Amino acid sequence: DQQVKQNSPSLSVQEGRISILNCDYTNSMFDYFLWYKKYPAEGPTFLISISSIKDKNEDGRFTVFLNKSAKHLSLHIVPSQPGDSAVYFCAASLNDMRFGAGTRLTVKP
Amino acid sequence: NAGVTQTPKFRVLKTGQSMTLLCAQDMNHEYMYWYRQDPGMGLRLIHYSVGEGTTAKGEVPDGYNVSRLKKQNFLLGLESAAPSQTSVYFCASSYLVSQGGNEQFFGPGTRLTVL
Repeated sequence: DQQVKQNSPSLSVQEGRISILNCDYTNSMFDYFLWYKKYPAEGPTFLISISSIKDKNEDGRFTVFLNKSAKHLSLHIVPSQPGDSAVYFCAASLNDMRFGAGTRLTVKP
Repeated sequence: NAGVTQTPKFRVLKTGQSMTLLCAQDMNHEYMYWYRQDPGMGLRLIHYSVGEGTTAKGEVPDGYNVSRLKKQNFLLGLESAAPSQTSVYFCASSYLVSQGGNEQFFGPGTRLTVL
């Protein structure tokens, strides 16, 4: 069973606008949530994380929001840049790490 | 620092053949992991290791074996390859376990095709 789900396989936004990537999870025991970014032919790289006791974490253009009651988190990228075009994986950790299927973000100039 | 490296980058096997994927890290990380990535499935943990000489099963361990004889190396073995093992394999390492939001550092991946 997939405990972490990213229901949008792809997202396209205009440069300078906001990108919002969504992630849902089923296990309320997850204690940390992370976002990874992946370019073609490379391994994923860590982007930002949030503890389950917080509802927001911000790092430059990237902000992650956590809604525990809805078991939902989202990654906001503002402003979006063409270099942000990549596949974004949501992950949740407890005893190990569970990943979503990924969302391919395309930022158009 | 090379970070996490994986050997080989690509491999084609016939059903029933065996092979070993090598992962090496130069960051002195205690924890190492093997994942597979399949379309629409994200990354799934195969096996992991919390230190030299230790290994543990992940989410999808069947058909794979691992060894961690040296702290910097983590080997993934396929004893009798099957077409269902066609995938992209990623190795990762971290200072601490995935808990606590500690990031994992990933290698570039190995693309394996089993005919």
